[in-house]
Amino acid sequence: EADIYQTPRYLVIGTGKKITLECSQTMGHDKMYWYQQDPGMELHLIHYSYGVNSTEKGDLSSESTVSRIRTEHFPLTLESARPSHTSQYLCASSEWGTGNGYTFGSGTRLTVV
Amino acid sequence: AQRVTQPEKLLSVFKGAPVELKCNYSYSGSPELFWYVQYSRQRLQLLLRHISRESIKGFTADLNKGETSFHLKKPFAQEEDSAMYYCALTGQGAQKLVFGQGTRLTINP
Repeated sequence: EADIYQTPRYLVIGTGKKITLECSQTMGHDKMYWYQQDPGMELHLIHYSYGVNSTEKGDLSSESTVSRIRTEHFPLTLESARPSHTSQYLCASSEWGTGNGYTFGSGTRLTVV
Repeated sequence: AQRVTQPEKLLSVFKGAPVELKCNYSYSGSPELFWYVQYSRQRLQLLLRHISRESIKGFTADLNKGETSFHLKKPFAQEEDSAMYYCALTGQGAQKLVFGQGTRLTINP
């Protein structure tokens, strides 16, 4: 079934560890996004990509990095996790032109202890 | 710059009562507006788009360019409407969606 998948669903990790949050979509969408959803539930765009080898920083500054080597895959990496990185991370994708809106993944809830 | 404001962080109404979730936007061009909903333990999903002028689950939203608003309305609230609602904006030709802060709607029995 065409969808967008995020793994892991939950992650608890120690300070200083390197982590990668996975996001894959099987809808053939060109555009992909990472949002951070804070405890007050507000959504902030941290990274986006319009296609392979295209990545841009979003409106909220983030210490994370992303890559887009394949259309379907848009992983997010934190080189050294800190407690301030504790949050929910949502991945989304859309077709070219946003008339149909975004399709969101189930999210990864990250806790850094 | 694009901006979306949802003035109510929390909204509580009784079952059967009308509900209105407010959304105001700021954008100099021609906007495209959306409402997204997140039910408990479910992923964020598209509820409706202003360009389609549709009614989904009894909800409607009208774009008022004069008041720069896109309020979400339902005449008779149901308990299953309890969720987090987000208003979102993009401009024609723009690629990014900007979200409002969200409104948590609670329908009391």
